Formats: sequence, C-alpha cells, structure tokens
Amino acid sequence: DVVLTQTPSTLSATIGQSVSISCRSSQSLLDSAGNTYLYWYLQRPGQSPQLLIYLVSNLGSGVPNRFSGSGSGTDFTLKISGVEAEDLGVYYCMQATHAPYTFGAGTKLELK
Amino acid sequence: QVQLKESGPVLVQASETLSLTCTVSGFSLTNYGVIWVRQPPGKGLEWMGIIWRNGNTDYNSALKSRLSINRDTSKSQVFLKMNSLQTDDTAIYYCTTMNYWGQGVMVTVSS
Repeated sequence: DVVLTQTPSTLSATIGQSVSISCRSSQSLLDSAGNTYLYWYLQRPGQSPQLLIYLVSNLGSGVPNRFSGSGSGTDFTLKISGVEAEDLGVYYCMQATHAPYTFGAGTKLELK
Repeated sequence: QVQLKESGPVLVQASETLSLTCTVSGFSLTNYGVIWVRQPPGKGLEWMGIIWRNGNTDYNSALKSRLSINRDTSKSQVFLKMNSLQTDDTAIYYCTTMNYWGQGVMVTVSS
C-alpha cells in the first residue's frame, strides 16, 4: 500500500501568517493516463472532513483562494497564504491513484 | 443537492458484526463510487474501502478479511458489514464520495 508522510505533524501559526504542509508518497502518484490523484482535506474540530484541493492543485467548490496545492510525482505541498481563524484544524492528504487509497497521518494547525 | 447519511447501531458487542447503511441523495450510485472512512477517537482518518460505480469493490488490506461493502442502487443505499469486531474498531464511520461527506456515525465496540 502507498504510504503518505505528512510534515510537520503540528504547525503553530499566527493570523495572517503563510504556512505550508508537505505530503510525500512512497511511490509516484502519476497514473498511466497522466493524472495525479492527490487530495487535501481540512477537518475542523467536531466536523466531517472538507475537500480543499483535488488533483494536486484544483480548488474545491467554495474554498478560499488563499489555499493552494502544488507538486508532482511523490512530493506535494499545501500552502495557506494568510492563515485565518477558521483554518484551524487537522489537514490530511489522500491519494486515490493506487487502490487501496490511503491518507496521511494529518497535520494539526493551531494558533501560536 | 448531494447528501450522504450514515445510520446503524451506536453500540456493538465485541466479536459481533457491524452493519452500517449510507443513504445518498442528489446523485446515482451508478455514476459515482462511495467510500467508507473511519476515525478512532482522537486519531486520524483510515480509508476502509470503496464500491465503484460499476459495483466492483476494493478494500483496505488490513481489513479485507473482515469487511464487505455492497449496495442497493434502487434504494440509493450502500452497506458496510464488518465482522469479528474488537474494541479498537471503536470509531466514527463516514461514507463519502470524496467531494461530499456524511456527518458520520459514532460506533462503540463494548467488551
């Protein structure tokens, strides 16, 4: 199974600060058709996960454009350009290129 | 609009079988796959398995021997069954299309 390694596990930020989360895969997430099925989710406390980014860099519906995704192959990054209070929670990357799909262990974003 | 809702028992005895239902609306199960994900208290998300739009399934390697996912397209329902439950199967169980998620159902396995 594909292992996704997220770093850091915890991230402390002030409001307005820009932060990045890394997600590294144990194997390439590029499929034979040229697609990379890498997703980012945010889970706020007590809520279901919410889709932020799909296919590496596409913004989910209603997601603010301070969120951006990048990367290729095995290395991916989620960037938040100017953290807001509503962004606090746990961020997960997930791959859907290789069955079974797998999640990273999560990165908790908290206020400094 | 698209909605998913999980239902099932909140308390199950160890060694028994868990049966959960995911009822969907706003889309057809023949057009989209549905995934089951679980989250033990205070821990991360675990991908359990998927039933594809063609009815085929894939399962988490660690759960494959205990897990089955089926559906009734006429009722817009997806079913999860997992046997030989243990206390570490205590978790919130979600169904999702990856874009949309249910609210989850908290299942406690009692010894």
